[in-house]
Amino acid sequence: QKEVEQDPGPLSVPEGAIVSLNCTYSNSAFQYFMWYRQYSRKGPELLMYTYSSGNKEDGRFTAQVDKSSKYISLFIRDSQPSDSATYLCAMSERGTGFQKLVFGTGTRLLVSP
Amino acid sequence: DAGVTQSPTHLIKTRGQQVTLRCSPKSGHDTVSWYQQALGQGPQFIFQYYEEEERQRGNFPDRFSGHQFPNYSSELNVNALLLGDSALYLCASSSPGQGNAEAFFGQGTRLTVV
Repeated sequence: QKEVEQDPGPLSVPEGAIVSLNCTYSNSAFQYFMWYRQYSRKGPELLMYTYSSGNKEDGRFTAQVDKSSKYISLFIRDSQPSDSATYLCAMSERGTGFQKLVFGTGTRLLVSP
Repeated sequence: DAGVTQSPTHLIKTRGQQVTLRCSPKSGHDTVSWYQQALGQGPQFIFQYYEEEERQRGNFPDRFSGHQFPNYSSELNVNALLLGDSALYLCASSSPGQGNAEAFFGQGTRLTVV
């Protein structure tokens, strides 16, 4: 079993839809949770960074962490064709010091006009 | 403010050869991590450098080695290349000593081994 599980998709939605992306994990020591967006043939771009359980909002993006269920989500409101990309969840045990990120496989999102 | 820069962007090598990839961290960052991303997969942690020393290492063979220079830039070396080493190699920089653990990635180097 992988430490982080993520549905690879693709997830296809019409423009303006609310998108829900999810990851589950098995390592209860994970405390820091991140979402990255990766366009084709580019490096990952950090979207959201959260610590422990709770919600965090930034513009059209909302990240949720439920540590009791080992489940994290990213919601995208009013999705746009420019949101079409692969979304990677990443986690680490430590937020400071020397930490490594453990990634999911990524979910490919397609937003059609 | 320049972000994380990597060179070269693309590289084709033959099995058995050696390769060196380079990374310059984001301004103000002192820690560099390297990741390997195979097609259709998430990035896998190779190792991390801080103060010119390897601080953490993932599950990669000794063929993968690195170096960090006094200006915080870094190199990733891979010896005796295998076909399975074909991947996007990503460099990420951060500054955990400043209480900021957010990791920022470069655009990657796409290595093809033939």
